[in-house]
Amino acid sequence: DSGVTQTPKHLITATGQRVTLRCSPRSGDLSVYWYQQSLDQGLQFLIQYYNGEERAKGNILERFSAQQFPDLHSELNLSSLELGDSALYFCASSVAEDEAFFGQGTRLTVV
Amino acid sequence: DAKTTQPNSMESNEEEPVHLPCNHSTISGTDYIHWYRQLPSQGPEYVIHGLTSNVNNRMASLAIAEDRKSSTLILHRATLRDAAVYYCILRDFLQDTGRRALTFGSGTRLQVQP
Repeated sequence: DSGVTQTPKHLITATGQRVTLRCSPRSGDLSVYWYQQSLDQGLQFLIQYYNGEERAKGNILERFSAQQFPDLHSELNLSSLELGDSALYFCASSVAEDEAFFGQGTRLTVV
Repeated sequence: DAKTTQPNSMESNEEEPVHLPCNHSTISGTDYIHWYRQLPSQGPEYVIHGLTSNVNNRMASLAIAEDRKSSTLILHRATLRDAAVYYCILRDFLQDTGRRALTFGSGTRLQVQP
């Protein structure tokens, strides 16, 4: 158990819909990272928050957004969903530079 | 960002040592070498990291070439549970603490035969 909790574990939704994925980082970790893993793209970095502020952006689509709340949990919002958004979405957290801890992921299926 | 190159796949037998290579010829002096692995249906997990000297922990050893242009992750006795994708990642320790996302390549898929 990494200490990073992601909910829900599985999500099935229709094209055009909007979903919210939630991540609770390890206690005390200030950084939260979101990654997308699809079969043909591997693990792609989406966005990072540090102590409530956006710090780095990767390959995140404009239809996607995220935020980190004062209690440090984070949410990833995906809207106008397309079939190609079906993927595993991972959240990771870290406090220092030694290691990042990943959650078990949310499997999103868009039908 | 400096790039890493790893073989797509490797095979090993159970209880034998495994040497997973990584080339990073454009590594900078401030890049740490990190290894993560991803077991089937799980999120990536940290394995080990180092800068210049060889490193050991309970999971593995990391051997870093003297010129730092390559490194090798060593699993001393492979088990079936070690079957995973292993990622070699460079991380610049001088970058602002709040900006150090890990950039994953395609990694090496390790198969362990019983």
